[in-house]
Amino acid sequence: DAGVTQSPTHLIKTRGQQVTLRCSPKSGHDTVSWYQQALGQGPQFIFQYYEEEERQRGNFPDRFSGHQFPNYSSELNVNALLLGDSALYLCASSRGQGIYNEQFFGPGTRLTVL
Amino acid sequence: AQKVTQAQTEISVVEKEDVTLDCVYETRDTTYYLFWYKQPPSGELVFLIRRNSFDEQNEISGRYSWNFQKSTSSFNFTITASQVVDSAVYFCALVNNAGNMLTFGGGTRLMVKP
Repeated sequence: DAGVTQSPTHLIKTRGQQVTLRCSPKSGHDTVSWYQQALGQGPQFIFQYYEEEERQRGNFPDRFSGHQFPNYSSELNVNALLLGDSALYLCASSRGQGIYNEQFFGPGTRLTVL
Repeated sequence: AQKVTQAQTEISVVEKEDVTLDCVYETRDTTYYLFWYKQPPSGELVFLIRRNSFDEQNEISGRYSWNFQKSTSSFNFTITASQVVDSAVYFCALVNNAGNMLTFGGGTRLMVKP
């Protein structure tokens, strides 16, 4: 049983560019959440997708957007990249809407913005 | 607003020692959920426990135990007879009653030396 998978593993972009990160949830899970983890800090909740809609959102600007597909996989898009967007981006999946459910995390995508 | 504080940034112990990781939280909700996650060097967050605010029973799982004290807004985590494999960053997290706000603490890096 495959767990949560994310791609790519690492990514290097320059300021102003746009990036798309991908996530496939654990089998049987229908909800995907995204987190940003800056170096040496705890993860920060970006948003959660359930039934192909954004259901919950943390304190992130509109430059951060996402999508969930009918097969429950998800994408995170970040536009107009800033140096401060450099971080580990974690995807987590769970069953059912609500960020209080047990979440299973992927290994993350390390984004570096130069 | 809600907040999670993990005052211990880094802890170093020798194998077989017991160690307690502190977590103090702030919330205005009377119902909420508390979590502990482990993040090994691989980067993938691993769920350890979820506790809702109505359940103040302490829990033990093998060498792990959790002490939830609502009166002091603390949810501390103890590892008994620590092992080198316990070396990781541990995060405490809080979800509000509405299930739309998730806050992680800054994490405690635990180093267990042989």
